[in-house]
Amino acid sequence: EAGVTQSPTHLIKTRGQQATLRCSPISGHTSVYWYQQALGLGLQFLLWYDEGEERNRGNFPPRFSGRQFPNYSSELNVNALELEDSALYLCASSGTSGGPGNTGELFFGEGSRLTVL
Amino acid sequence: AQSVTQLDSQVPVFEEAPVELRCNYSSSVSVYLFWYVQYPNQGLQLLLKYLSGSTLVKGINGFEAEFNKSQTSFHLRKPSVHISDTAEYFCAVSLPPASGGSYIPTFGRGTSLIVHP
Repeated sequence: EAGVTQSPTHLIKTRGQQATLRCSPISGHTSVYWYQQALGLGLQFLLWYDEGEERNRGNFPPRFSGRQFPNYSSELNVNALELEDSALYLCASSGTSGGPGNTGELFFGEGSRLTVL
Repeated sequence: AQSVTQLDSQVPVFEEAPVELRCNYSSSVSVYLFWYVQYPNQGLQLLLKYLSGSTLVKGINGFEAEFNKSQTSFHLRKPSVHISDTAEYFCAVSLPPASGGSYIPTFGRGTSLIVHP
């Protein structure tokens, strides 16, 4: 069974540009989560999508947005890139709709490393 | 809102020695607790979790953790580490809806375990 897949693996952009990151969840998973992992800051929750809807959002500005497609894959868009957006962006999925449910577990992809110059 | 503190940013240890990685959480209600591991250039993988029941939780790769409600701690231990255990370890906490949460985990900043030969 394929795990969570993310693309691209690496992405280099310049300030002011837009970045689009993509994620395919484990087959059968309907919830997708996005986290930002900046150096020394751990994982910061960005967005949660479930059944095509945005269910929850972390403390990030509106230039961080995304969507979930009918096949449950998701993309994260970051507009007007700033230097501090350089980070590893991790996507995760969970096996129950409505959130991680009573298993609590998220399944992570290997991440997309965004570098803003 | 819940929060997690990992008290050590880096823990160096020699191979075959025991190790303890410390984690404290802040919440006045029932929580779920997790330890994830991130090997270099990979996503996060669940080591173990506490949802309810026995306070001593055993996970993969010989790791275990003990939930201590009075001290609001969930420290991770291994009696004898290997070189291959060198990785970043993240403690996480989530609140089930019954406690006012949405199951989405909040992560600590991580502890880098460095095992020396």
